Amino acid sequence: NAGVTQTPKFQVLKTGQSMTLQCAQDMNHEYMSWYRQDPGMGLRLIHYSVGAGITDQGEVPNGYNVSRSTTEDFPLRLLSAAPSQTSVYFCASSYGGLAPDEQFFGPGTRLTVL
Amino acid sequence: AQTVTQSQPEMSVQEAETVTLSCTYDTSENNYYLFWYKQPPSRQMILVIRQEAYKQQNATENRFSVNFQKAAKSFSLKISDSQLGDTAMYFCAFMTTFQGAQKLVFGQGTRLTINP
Repeated sequence: NAGVTQTPKFQVLKTGQSMTLQCAQDMNHEYMSWYRQDPGMGLRLIHYSVGAGITDQGEVPNGYNVSRSTTEDFPLRLLSAAPSQTSVYFCASSYGGLAPDEQFFGPGTRLTVL
Repeated sequence: AQTVTQSQPEMSVQEAETVTLSCTYDTSENNYYLFWYKQPPSRQMILVIRQEAYKQQNATENRFSVNFQKAAKSFSLKISDSQLGDTAMYFCAFMTTFQGAQKLVFGQGTRLTINP
C-alpha cells in the first residue's frame, strides 16, 4: 500500500494563478479531508468528504474548491491564489463512520504564493 | 465550537528524562475523542496515542501515556525515558463524529527538543 499520496511536494504560484493539489489513497477509505498548517498554528480543516460525491466545508473553506468523483481521489483546487494561501497542505483519510479511527496523513505540499 | 489549547510553545529536556506536554480543550460535547500527533522535521503527521472520552482508564502506548481529566478538560502527554528520536512538534487534537465526518481540531503545537 502506498497509503496517502500528495502531489506536488512543493509549488510556487503567482497571485491570481489557479492550481490543483492532488491527493490519492489506496486503502479504500470513505473519509478524506484537507488541512492547512500555518506557522505557530495547528492544522485547520479546509474541506472534507464522507464518500464519493459528498463534500462539505470545514473551518477555513474560502478560496478553495473540492470534488470527490471516486473513493480514491480528493483534489483541492485553488481558484485564484492569494499570498494568504501560502501554507503547508495536508490530505488525510480514514475509514470514517461512527467510531473514530486513525486518520492517515499524506506527506504534505508546501505552497508559496508570491 | 471546540477549541484546543497547548500552553507550552517549546520544551527541552535531556535524553532519558521524563517530560509532560499539556493540553486543555473546551467543548459542550459528551462523546468525543482525543489524540496526540507527532510531527518530526520530515513533516509527516504520526499518531502517538488516542483516548476515548467515555473511557476512564488512561491510554498507554509503550513510553507514551496520557493523563485524561474529563471534568477539568485536560489531556496531557507523558513521555518516559525520552529519546533523541522524540524530537518533534507535538499536536493535541480533538475529534467528534457526525454523520460519517471525523473532524479534527488541533492545538497550536509544542516543539519538543531532546538533548543528548
